[in-house]
Amino acid sequence: QVHLVQSGAEVRKPGSSVKISCKVSADTFTIYTISWVRQAPGQGLEWMGGIVPMFGTANYAQRFHGRVTITADESTNTAHMEMSSLRSEDTAVYYCARDGPSPFCHGTNCYSQNWGQGTLVTVSS
Amino acid sequence: DIQMTQSPSSLSASVGDRVTMTCRASQGVSTYVAWYQQKPGKVPEILMFDGSTLQSGVPSRFSGSGSGTEFTLTISSLQPEDVATYYCQKYDSVPRTFGQGTKVEIK
Repeated sequence: QVHLVQSGAEVRKPGSSVKISCKVSADTFTIYTISWVRQAPGQGLEWMGGIVPMFGTANYAQRFHGRVTITADESTNTAHMEMSSLRSEDTAVYYCARDGPSPFCHGTNCYSQNWGQGTLVTVSS
Repeated sequence: DIQMTQSPSSLSASVGDRVTMTCRASQGVSTYVAWYQQKPGKVPEILMFDGSTLQSGVPSRFSGSGSGTEFTLTISSLQPEDVATYYCQKYDSVPRTFGQGTKVEIK
């Protein structure tokens, strides 16, 4: 059973940055995509980007490109998502999620089988 | 980027009713569509993938169909525990866009 454990809630001021971690309990950390998904209060799910740890290069949704950095540390089985220039609209629950072994994937793209518990980020002055 | 549009945005039905919701892609995505269930206050969970393949443990009253640009999720007999918001997601390529969700309530 794969578990994803995220870091705790954060409060930030507008214009600052936040870095969230996601520790994965799985021997196969390096080979499956870790995605980051956010959900603003009362809103839907929004895919932000993802990384295959063994490749090290992340892909981002256009609207987050340049403001979000996704990294993965193979030595600690931990993925990170850092967002800069925070604004009030970034107040949301941020989830990490991991693909899993499946014959129904399309290359490195797949559905997310396992999710972290979510991290609430509040941006307020 | 390919957009995913779900309809309706919400629905209310009685226990035992058959419920159907739709997800439309702005371009073809083959069968690379997943459905997630998010119960109130909970983390999303994978329900279905490859357009119609149920995740292990998901009740058989859930079914899916579709390929290309149109996909449906059906609950054959709505149960109280099915109250949730259902999201489709394409995963043929990045970005792995979600639909805006369909909220299911009991009448």
